[in-house]
Amino acid sequence: EAQVTQNPRYLITVTGKKLTVTCSQNMNHEYMSWYRQDPGLGLRQIYYSMNVEVTDKGDVPEGYKVSRKEKRNFPLILESPSPNQTSLYFCASSFAWDVSSGYTFGSGTRLTVV
Amino acid sequence: GQQLNQSPQSMFIQEGEDVSMNCTSSSIFNTWLWYKQDPGEGPVLLIALYKAGELTSNGRLTAQFGITRKDSFLNISASIPSDVGIYFCAGRTLRRSQGNLIFGKGTKLSVKP
Repeated sequence: EAQVTQNPRYLITVTGKKLTVTCSQNMNHEYMSWYRQDPGLGLRQIYYSMNVEVTDKGDVPEGYKVSRKEKRNFPLILESPSPNQTSLYFCASSFAWDVSSGYTFGSGTRLTVV
Repeated sequence: GQQLNQSPQSMFIQEGEDVSMNCTSSSIFNTWLWYKQDPGEGPVLLIALYKAGELTSNGRLTAQFGITRKDSFLNISASIPSDVGIYFCAGRTLRRSQGNLIFGKGTKLSVKP
């Protein structure tokens, strides 16, 4: 089944403890992206990647890092999480950088930082 | 960054009623997409629009790409309880540096049986 898989689905962590949220897609998509969803703010883009080893900042990149060493994986790294990063995170992928066919989204990771 | 204005923010309707929501932008888009997010899940693509004036249907859903290329609307006819969720519009810009898809803030739909 074609899908974007995120792990974990739920995570509670403490301020300052480094964490990684994994994202993997099995559709050979070139384009991958991370979004966070907050009440009243909709979906805001954190980082995106147009291909292997090519990443760029979205609208809200502060406090996050990403890497794209392989086409299928696009992990999101929080080096020192803070409570304002408590949010629902989505990974998404698209066949090509022009995303004209739209994204396929993962099921989300609900992160709570205490 | 760029923003889409999506309205209404929320709707409470009776089963069987028709629903209409829309998105507007100050910028021109060359693609409009409509997504639905069920509770606890990621958004799923409903309809994609690629040409100004285009009208596309998917079952009880109909969406249109505005002539000015700065707006789009989504209609749902004869709503049913499983239509509950958050509906997002998304527009694709021509600016490669921005990652290309901008999302509205969503319309939360509640349907009373």
